[in-house]
Amino acid sequence: AQTVTQSQPEMSVQEAETVTLSCTYDTSENNYYLFWYKQPPSRQMILVIRQEAYKQQNATENRFSVNFQKAAKSFSLKISDSQLGDTAMYFCAFFSYNQGGKLIFGQGTELSVKP
Amino acid sequence: GAVVSQHPSRVICKSGTSVKIECRSLDFQATTMFWYRQFPKQSLMLMATSNEGSKATYEQGVEKDKFLINHASLTLSTLTVTSAHPEDSSFYICSARGLADTAGNTIYFGEGSWLTVV
Repeated sequence: AQTVTQSQPEMSVQEAETVTLSCTYDTSENNYYLFWYKQPPSRQMILVIRQEAYKQQNATENRFSVNFQKAAKSFSLKISDSQLGDTAMYFCAFFSYNQGGKLIFGQGTELSVKP
Repeated sequence: GAVVSQHPSRVICKSGTSVKIECRSLDFQATTMFWYRQFPKQSLMLMATSNEGSKATYEQGVEKDKFLINHASLTLSTLTVTSAHPEDSSFYICSARGLADTAGNTIYFGEGSWLTVV
């Protein structure tokens, strides 16, 4: 069965600095998608970035970028120029149609951006 | 982008009563909807997957007679918590996936519903 592991329950970063959140996953599949979701105190789940496994190029969305290492089954999220509004829970998630199209989430990392 | 609306955002009910939570996809057709439960500071726990026009598939350990899920149309799924008890108090979130690539294989989430059973 697919599993997603986030080994950092909590992290903090100073405003304007860079932070990297780790995520590893386990799968025997070759075609899948990976996501990072942000959940601020409002509890709304917000899609931050997505990566298709067949693409070698790392996805980037403004200040957010990923380091996707398919062979190592690693999918870390880098947040550059951290802002106070980045304070939230961050969840890494795995998706494939072979899993019934459902997202498999990691345990989450609580990120605090300090002024 | 795709929008999923969940209602109500907060509900308080008496122990023993039933409460219904709605999940609507506003600008796309959702062939599949998912219902999650989330405890404080924890990840989302998938309760069930519902496909339009068919019975929901429940995850292991989730009581299907207690958490009734109906996906009557391509834009609406409902979760009914029957005979609610205080231990059912939680944050419930729905999500939806569109037809083929209409939502880009991305799953979009509702705003969530806080249920308090007193």
